[in-house]
Amino acid sequence: DIQMTQSPSTLSASVGDRVTITCRASQTISDWLAWYQQKPGKAPKVLIYKASKLESGTPPRFSGSGSGTEFMLTISSLQPDDFATYYCQQYSSFWTFGQGTTVDIK
Amino acid sequence: EVQLVQSGAEVKKPGESLRISCSASGFTFPKYWIGWIRHTPGKGLEWMAIMYPDDSDIRYSPSFQGQVTISADNANSTAYLQWTNLKTSDTAMYYCARSMGYCGVDNCVGYFDLWGRGTLVTVSS
Repeated sequence: DIQMTQSPSTLSASVGDRVTITCRASQTISDWLAWYQQKPGKAPKVLIYKASKLESGTPPRFSGSGSGTEFMLTISSLQPDDFATYYCQQYSSFWTFGQGTTVDIK
Repeated sequence: EVQLVQSGAEVKKPGESLRISCSASGFTFPKYWIGWIRHTPGKGLEWMAIMYPDDSDIRYSPSFQGQVTISADNANSTAYLQWTNLKTSDTAMYYCARSMGYCGVDNCVGYFDLWGRGTLVTVSS
């Protein structure tokens, strides 16, 4: 099984901050990686797929990068609506998720 | 509206049976792979099973093979996840989700582009 390791597990930030979340795969997954955002009581929502492609409706302040085993999700200027938990997911071989990163208010 | 609507929260006792549902609307249900994902505080998000309703092709995660059964009713655009012998360790939030990919002989690829809001299952004596 491919393991996904996300860091940090929690991130405290302020509105306007640039935020970066890292995700590492235990073996190469090319660019078969998605990022999801989840808010309490809501379904996860895909933000980015194929490592860097924005899903329709994702604000351009979100960006994804990386390939192989190292990936990043960047929020260029954190907005109030962005405080949430973020998950990476590999879909190169079935599916595994990172443990999540909670972005909370500093 | 394109959506997946899941059945409501359940409280069950160990050993009981349960079937939860996921009703699709706004898209051609049989033509998409529909999966179930478990979410627990300890193990995070884990995919359990996935099905292509059009031909009933099914794949199970080895971790859940034999523990649950996935099925679908194409006439009602609904997917199901079923247990016959619940355990306290089945307590979790369960999500259904639509895959934008496909499954080949020995692998599945594709991210989940549409999710239900989840069904909370509590198993307690």
